[in-house]
Amino acid sequence: SYELTQPPSVSVSPGQTASISCSGDKLGDKYASWYQQRPGQSPTLVIYQDKKRPSGIPERFSASNFGHTATLTITGTQPMDEADYYCQAWDSNTAGVFGGGTKLTVL
Amino acid sequence: EAQLVESGGGLVQPGGSLRLSCAASGFIFEEYAMHWVRQAPGKGLEWVSGITWNSGNIGYADSVKGRFTVFRDNAKNSLHLQMTSLGAADMALYYCARDRRGYYGRGGAFEIWGQGTMVTVSS
Repeated sequence: SYELTQPPSVSVSPGQTASISCSGDKLGDKYASWYQQRPGQSPTLVIYQDKKRPSGIPERFSASNFGHTATLTITGTQPMDEADYYCQAWDSNTAGVFGGGTKLTVL
Repeated sequence: EAQLVESGGGLVQPGGSLRLSCAASGFIFEEYAMHWVRQAPGKGLEWVSGITWNSGNIGYADSVKGRFTVFRDNAKNSLHLQMTSLGAADMALYYCARDRRGYYGRGGAFEIWGQGTMVTVSS
């Protein structure tokens, strides 16, 4: 079955740039999405189709997907960005697959 | 405003069954594919099942295939998940999620999420 791998944790200082990676076999040939989940809340879609931002998502959120790695980048990270982030893609059998999640700490 | 409200969770014995429901409002339900995604306590997200706008295509995670059945009632703006042979591995918060499009797969994404309904499996 298809697997997506994320680092368990990433730390960043306020105002700096955070990068979260997501790796999977030929992930660049699929579309990647990214979700933010703050503690005690439901997930929120922040990126879809590799790099598109839904309405209401700040411009500081951007992403790319090439080769075997998708990357979520948060420029000018704010304390409110502290959350768990999940990447997601669809395998060849149209089954949804999530990465294990990355805890972003802003300190 | 688009909204999804799950219900039907609760305590069930191992081997038991449960039916979850999701009530949709604020958007044209029949135009969108829908999904169930679960999250075990302290763990990550797991896609459980998806269904296209017209129920023409349905998919399941390997972990639930043969035990769970998803169906929708477009006339009642509702999505359901019939779960059988429940085990400890099924204990989780179950989210209902709306896709961006009427069908799911490559390019799709979970655009709207409910608050979830908790399923506890214990004797």
